[in-house]
Amino acid sequence: TAGITQAPTSQILAAGRSMTLRCTQDMRHNAMYWYRQDLGLGLRLIHYSNTAGTTGKGEVPDGYSVSRANTDDFPLTLASAVPSQTSVYFCASSDSPGQGHNEQFFGPGTRLTVL
Amino acid sequence: GQNIDQPTEMTATEGAIVQINCTYQTSGFNGLFWYQQHAGEAPTFLSYNVLDGLEEKGRFSSFLSRSKGYSYLLLKELQMKDSASYLCAVRDSNYQLIWGAGTKLIIKP
Repeated sequence: TAGITQAPTSQILAAGRSMTLRCTQDMRHNAMYWYRQDLGLGLRLIHYSNTAGTTGKGEVPDGYSVSRANTDDFPLTLASAVPSQTSVYFCASSDSPGQGHNEQFFGPGTRLTVL
Repeated sequence: GQNIDQPTEMTATEGAIVQINCTYQTSGFNGLFWYQQHAGEAPTFLSYNVLDGLEEKGRFSSFLSRSKGYSYLLLKELQMKDSASYLCAVRDSNYQLIWGAGTKLIIKP
């Protein structure tokens, strides 16, 4: 199985432009997450979804939006990119977080540079 | 506030043992995770502790003391492929993971 995939692998984006980062999982996990990873900082949660049709804000949601129309897909949209959004973005999924240890599985990441 | 502390970088010798510490202060506790992340790759799950004590999995072990807000990851018989960053994460009262910045482990021959 593919597990969890992300697209694109990397992207250079002009400031002010919009972009959608795609994430798809085939593990039928209820929960999905978007993180950003910056040098010297831990993974920071942007948005999450505990089940299809619901989303929630994480630690750093400003400038980002998400949707969860179905179980498999969880796209992240930057409406108007700014240089501070330059980062590596990881999508992850897990079974319902309140049940058992249910580790998160990560996609390969998208390296985004905003100029 | 919520805080996860771990050393920034550690160096060890191939074949030796290394212990990576993690201390945490979080709003609630619903388990502690260790992940491994090789440079340029995604994090991958290593271990999970929710009760006090030691969990052993091959060359890797993880320890938890909830009263001290402390965990460590023990790596034995180090191999060059163990060169990676090791991330400590705590699941808080909202069942979200709070992540440390990671410890970069350098293995020397």
